[in-house]
Amino acid sequence: GAVVSQHPSRVICKSGTSVKIECRSLDFQATTMFWYRQFPKQSLMLMATSNEGSKATYEQGVEKDKFLINHASLTLSTLTVTSAHPEDSSFYICSAKTTGFSDQPQHFGDGTRLSIL
Amino acid sequence: QKEVEQDPGPLSVPEGAIVSLNCTYSNSAFQYFMWYRQYSRKGPELLMYTYSSGNKEDGRFTAQVDKSSKYISLFIRDSQPSDSATYLCAFDPISSGSARQLTFGSGTQLTVLP
Repeated sequence: GAVVSQHPSRVICKSGTSVKIECRSLDFQATTMFWYRQFPKQSLMLMATSNEGSKATYEQGVEKDKFLINHASLTLSTLTVTSAHPEDSSFYICSAKTTGFSDQPQHFGDGTRLSIL
Repeated sequence: QKEVEQDPGPLSVPEGAIVSLNCTYSNSAFQYFMWYRQYSRKGPELLMYTYSSGNKEDGRFTAQVDKSSKYISLFIRDSQPSDSATYLCAFDPISSGSARQLTFGSGTQLTVLP
């Protein structure tokens, strides 16, 4: 089945640090990738949608200068949390899908647990 | 009215029980229906994916869709402790453009007791 790899799985860093999270589709080309944030015991909250080769579309309330997204290839998207602060601590999850005549569902990475001290 | 309603649980059942998880939705544009399983501190794992009314079976799992009632269900037969997780229903609309966003239920936390 479709596999999405997300790295790193856990980050602990000091306030003010920028953190980059990678999301890779391992066995399919992902024309679209999604970035989510999830708080404990809550469902996933969509942050942004990225299409390969174009700018990401951010959801209302998500700061695009704070959460930089790059989808430079059909197998890799990155999320950079710039100058992270304790309130940015959360579980970040990416998903990927390919589109076409036969639509496929989204497949998720295993998430990145970010803790800002 | 919320677009998707899912009983958050928690739901606790003995091993071997049949589990029924349900979601209702209000958006007629939803055409693809999914169930994801999420273990603690992991990303959601796709369990079932369907786009038509009726039943779809995969091993111990059966997904049921009733578009006329806007209701979907996931049944787990012979439940195992390893099924203990949060189950999320998700909906994908038919819309123009290539990036279609999913709408998720709030998730039902299931515990299967040995």
